[in-house]
Amino acid sequence: DTEVTQTPKHLVMGMTNKKSLKCEQHMGHRAMYWYKQKAKKPPELMFVYSYEKLSINESVPSRFSPECPNSSLLNLHLHALQPEDSALYLCASSQELAGRETQYFGPGTRLLVL
Amino acid sequence: AQTVTQSQPEMSVQEAETVTLSCTYDTSENNYYLFWYKQPPSRQMILVIRQEAYKQQNATENRFSVNFQKAAKSFSLKISDSQLGDTAMYFCAFMTFNSGTYKYIFGTGTRLKVLA
Repeated sequence: DTEVTQTPKHLVMGMTNKKSLKCEQHMGHRAMYWYKQKAKKPPELMFVYSYEKLSINESVPSRFSPECPNSSLLNLHLHALQPEDSALYLCASSQELAGRETQYFGPGTRLLVL
Repeated sequence: AQTVTQSQPEMSVQEAETVTLSCTYDTSENNYYLFWYKQPPSRQMILVIRQEAYKQQNATENRFSVNFQKAAKSFSLKISDSQLGDTAMYFCAFMTFNSGTYKYIFGTGTRLKVLA
């Protein structure tokens, strides 16, 4: 099973809402990633978890709050987002946090903030 | 700071022909990894090929091969015998993880269309 799943596929939320994105993998990977991808732009790294610990935070605003409850799950909690946060949010995982490891990407959650 | 540049926003190629996508990068690091990813329309991003900077030999994966020129900081992707399923956005990416600093940077992408 080389699959990373993400739910929901689409999400529309108001600026006062609280929502969460979910990512799951069952490949035994110990590194998990959140990326943000605006339309026609490359992905931008947001957070990296390694062995369920937050290892990298690329100066992301606090309205995005990641959580790694166990080695298979990665959440991204959203609160008080702005319209410019509308984007495709991609999750990825790899065996370890190392360059030689392949990152496996999920299909993404397409988020629209109204 | 590291940068990754893809100078060809769009390209097209006839089916069964060969096409080369260019990528240049800038870094002061000596140890790093380079990647080409493929993102088909509305589908998941997948890794096409990977190159370790310490390896002089160019990586090859079936119809995909790279021309890695470390001194010139160039990392181009050659697709041979192009197929319709190769139509996608292709991203070049750079990764380094040294002294606790992790960087994973994508280029702006090249949209490739394979024509029947």
